[in-house]
Amino acid sequence: AQKVTQAQTEISVVEKEDVTLDCVYETRDTTYYLFWYKQPPSGELVFLIRRNSFDEQNEISGRYSWNFQKSTSSFNFTITASQVVDSAVYFCALTPLPFANTDKLIFGTGTRLQVFP
Amino acid sequence: GAVVSQHPSRVICKSGTSVKIECRSLDFQATTMFWYRQFPKQSLMLMATSNEGSKATYEQGVEKDKFLINHASLTLSTLTVTSAHPEDSSFYICSASGTRNEQFFGPGTRLTVL
Repeated sequence: AQKVTQAQTEISVVEKEDVTLDCVYETRDTTYYLFWYKQPPSGELVFLIRRNSFDEQNEISGRYSWNFQKSTSSFNFTITASQVVDSAVYFCALTPLPFANTDKLIFGTGTRLQVFP
Repeated sequence: GAVVSQHPSRVICKSGTSVKIECRSLDFQATTMFWYRQFPKQSLMLMATSNEGSKATYEQGVEKDKFLINHASLTLSTLTVTSAHPEDSSFYICSASGTRNEQFFGPGTRLTVL
């Protein structure tokens, strides 16, 4: 069975602090994709990153960075020097490869990040 | 990136009425579309997957007669909530996939049933 766990329900930080959002996944598939999405108060899901299970290189994009550790089945997301605009709910998601003719996304329960000025 | 639209963005209806939500891929052909439901402060739960020209595949526990899905073309899928009740009030989000493992999400539709 596939499952994504985001143990942190809510995190509050003060602007300019660094914050890490945890994501642990379970899958029996050897190939899969992992994702992070941001959902601001408007509700629209914003795609942040997709990572193939064969690519364990960490990635940095501006203030965002991702740490993929296959050995611990984790795909953590760090925001450096957080800003108020980073306040949102962040979802980690998993999709197995291949999966019939669909690309079913399995979402974690989300982490609500509040960044205070 | 690819753009997916949803219409309407918000709808308020009386109990017992049916509501249709449209999901369109504006600049690509979507062979597969997905419908998700999100209750307040909860995660997205997949309701069904639809492929153009064929019947939708519903997730366990989702009533197919209650949530009618039609994927008539490569750019349009519709979700009809039939005989809506207050417990159907939720945020409904669609996504569209043109190539494998790239889903593009719509902005969502907030349904309130009085």
